[in-house]
Amino acid sequence: AQKVTQAQTEISVVEKEDVTLDCVYETRDTTYYLFWYKQPPSGELVFLIRRNSFDEQNEISGRYSWNFQKSTSSFNFTITASQVVDSAVYFCALSVSGANNLFFGTGTRLTVIP
Amino acid sequence: SQTIHQWPATLVQPVGSPLSLECTVEGTSNPNLYWYRQAAGRGLQLLFYSVGIGQISSEVPQNLSASRPQDRQFILSSKKLLLSDSGFYLCAWRANWEGTNTEAFFGQGTRLTVV
Repeated sequence: AQKVTQAQTEISVVEKEDVTLDCVYETRDTTYYLFWYKQPPSGELVFLIRRNSFDEQNEISGRYSWNFQKSTSSFNFTITASQVVDSAVYFCALSVSGANNLFFGTGTRLTVIP
Repeated sequence: SQTIHQWPATLVQPVGSPLSLECTVEGTSNPNLYWYRQAAGRGLQLLFYSVGIGQISSEVPQNLSASRPQDRQFILSSKKLLLSDSGFYLCAWRANWEGTNTEAFFGQGTRLTVV
């Protein structure tokens, strides 16, 4: 069975601080895909990144970076120099090869205080 | 480019009334389509998914049903709404590429309140 755990329910940081959102996943499949989504107050989920299980390279996109570690089954997301516009709920998700479902974590609500 | 439309954006319905939420996708063919529900302050629960016209898989037994009458149209329905059906409903699509799991793209959601 597949499972995604986002232990941090809510995080508050002051603007310009760095923040890391944790994601731990469980799967017995050797081929799988991990995703991060952002849900701003408007409600729509915005796709941020996809990573497959064979690519453990960390990725950086502007102020966003992702740390994928198979040894700890984690796919953490760091926002550097946070901004008020980063305030949202962030979801981590898992999909295994050949399956049609995306398994979502329960999300982490990030509040950036100006 | 691909776009997904979902409507209505908000809906207030009395208990026992029917429901019909519609989702359409443009700019792609043969997508996988999904209905998710997000209860207040909680994660996303997959309700239904479809890999083709008339093909519906249900993940959770409930008061709802789904249909896919056309390739890019996905409808969520109920004959009689319950209070517990309140929530935020999201439609999503994924490209149907064999051998890889693509990301899902979501509509703007429908906030349903059953009163």
